[in-house]
Amino acid sequence: QSVLTQPPSVSGAPGQRVSISCTGSSSNIGAGYDVHWYQHLPGTAPKVLMYRNSNRPSGVPDRFSGSKSGTSASLVITGLQAEDEADYYCQSYDSSLSLYVFGPGTKVTVL
Amino acid sequence: QVQLVESGGGVVQPGRSLRLSCVVSGLTFSGYGMDWVRQVPGKGLEWVAVIYYDGSKQYYADSVKGRFTISRDDSRNTLYLQMNSLRVEDTAIYYCASHHGSHPAGYFDYWGQGTLVTVSS
Repeated sequence: QSVLTQPPSVSGAPGQRVSISCTGSSSNIGAGYDVHWYQHLPGTAPKVLMYRNSNRPSGVPDRFSGSKSGTSASLVITGLQAEDEADYYCQSYDSSLSLYVFGPGTKVTVL
Repeated sequence: QVQLVESGGGVVQPGRSLRLSCVVSGLTFSGYGMDWVRQVPGKGLEWVAVIYYDGSKQYYADSVKGRFTISRDDSRNTLYLQMNSLRVEDTAIYYCASHHGSHPAGYFDYWGQGTLVTVSS
């Protein structure tokens, strides 16, 4: 069972807005540790999509945005595109477990 | 561009050992902490271990502590994961990743394509 929780799946039509939540606790996100997001297509290398809650690496389209508040974070895709269909994982650090933790992943489907 | 290439995966019996390698190019390897992250096929990502940029410290997930050893050879731009006393539940795709920022903060900014380890009798 993951320390961070995410919805198993979200879906939307092209052009729509979808949001993925990542809920943690007082020993990880709530303790002030940053949240990072990764995009993963099975069979390929995962790719960092958002770092330190709301920062996009160069090359990541600005339709991706991130935020963090309290013990939760969220990733928003505005203007969903077919190539956004992938698995998305949030990640933080947990001070009680002394390890880096990932959410269980959310599969984004473009209808 | 940055490339991380893992190798060394395969099929191994429970209780046996395996060593994974990850060759890094396109970044100053000696300036980066490095991690191993694994994924059971069809499941989520699980962090395994991290080694500091200078090799001075290593940290492990409880699930592998005492059995796995992370190390690096900066002269070869190579990261290693020595896996001993392997268990069926260690079956996974193992990814190496570069660590941006210092432990316990930071994130995994470049990843390899992974190498599959199957532990089975």
